[in-house]
Amino acid sequence: DAKTTQPNSMESNEEEPVHLPCNHSTISGTDYIHWYRQLPSQGPEYVIHGLTSNVNNRMASLAIAEDRKSSTLILHRATLRDAAVYYCILLNDYKLSFGAGTTVTVRA
Amino acid sequence: NAGVTQTPKFRVLKTGQSMTLLCAQDMNHEYMYWYRQDPGMGLRLIHYSVGEGTTAKGEVPDGYNVSRLKKQNFLLGLESAAPSQTSVYFCASSEQNGLAGGEQFFGPGTRLTVL
Repeated sequence: DAKTTQPNSMESNEEEPVHLPCNHSTISGTDYIHWYRQLPSQGPEYVIHGLTSNVNNRMASLAIAEDRKSSTLILHRATLRDAAVYYCILLNDYKLSFGAGTTVTVRA
Repeated sequence: NAGVTQTPKFRVLKTGQSMTLLCAQDMNHEYMYWYRQDPGMGLRLIHYSVGEGTTAKGEVPDGYNVSRLKKQNFLLGLESAAPSQTSVYFCASSEQNGLAGGEQFFGPGTRLTVL
């Protein structure tokens, strides 16, 4: 199964951008790249997903490398509400598995 | 529109007892999922359903059974609970196939402790 590698933690200041990297060197051609986040004591929340092209939505942007072996989630202006664990997940077939994710801390 | 709801929110069982976790969604989604999350770890898929009357195994199905008799409900059963099943259980639903690209909507979770 294709796996992802993320840093354990990242810190940011409020109102500054946050770039969350994810490596997925064994990605297959039909794997979607998904990002979810989980606030303390809550269920995961969808952030964004993409296949090959960069994607933008109201929450974030997803930059996908040309070879698709890595991607970066970009939070343009971090707020205190963005403090959460962010999961990068490859989806295909029916073997979904979240890793440990990146814990994002936002300093006021 | 309540989204995805789960009952109960908390439960303590003794080893060998049985229980059923209920997941309900009011978004008319075809796909529904059950996950478990252990401390400090991500989520693992237990079972899923691609429509009313269908179920399939996920990554960690052993010790659990599921049923999808109605489109809006997805039940997770533990026939004989074990301490290894102590976890937080999350239900999710999606309109499209969430495992191939569709956004999944998650419930608030059920915290289960098996003594």
